[in-house]
Amino acid sequence: AQSVTQLGSHVSVSEGALVLLRCNYSSSVPPYLFWYVQYPNQGLQLLLKYTSAATLVKGINGFEAEFKKSETSFHLTKPSAHMSDAAEYFCAVSSNAGGTSYGKLTFGQGTILTVHP
Amino acid sequence: SQTIHQWPATLVQPVGSPLSLECTVEGTSNPNLYWYRQAAGRGLQLLFYSVGIGQISSEVPQNLSASRPQDRQFILSSKKLLLSDSGFYLCAWTGGGRNTIYFGEGSWLTVV
Repeated sequence: AQSVTQLGSHVSVSEGALVLLRCNYSSSVPPYLFWYVQYPNQGLQLLLKYTSAATLVKGINGFEAEFKKSETSFHLTKPSAHMSDAAEYFCAVSSNAGGTSYGKLTFGQGTILTVHP
Repeated sequence: SQTIHQWPATLVQPVGSPLSLECTVEGTSNPNLYWYRQAAGRGLQLLFYSVGIGQISSEVPQNLSASRPQDRQFILSSKKLLLSDSGFYLCAWTGGGRNTIYFGEGSWLTVV
């Protein structure tokens, strides 16, 4: 069984400020972890993924996330927010337990990021 | 290269009408296929997955069904839509020995 909790349904930051979106997961097997972004009326775009290699994962648009097994966390950060980062962000977990397990993602409820000028 | 096509992109359907969303993958064979749904104000939820032609697994009970008539074709259907079926539907695939899931562009369904 697996689950994802995203802490904070809405996060607001000023342009240029640090972005921190929190994600905690639960998984009975070693997890694969993902962050996706969804802009209004658009599909999902993969920001980054952790698949048991380096624990610090760098993604697109300056985002990165660190896998912390002891804390069961995979928080997303960006040093300096841009107006274009305003969107909804989803954390998701799956596993490499074989077969279809990789594609069976469990998503968090999402965090809407607002960036103020 | 592999691509995934999903259509229609948007549709508005009356309650009680049928539904058919189609998804086709190109450039790979024997993919694992998935249907996800995002209801308003909620995260995405896996509805169905398929490991081969005619093989469908349902993750949640609902008013919808899925079929896989061909290796790279995945169809989401309903005989009678409910208001609660409104949402954003995403098709996805995995396979080819790659640790990557590929999503389609999605279909926005509004039931009125």
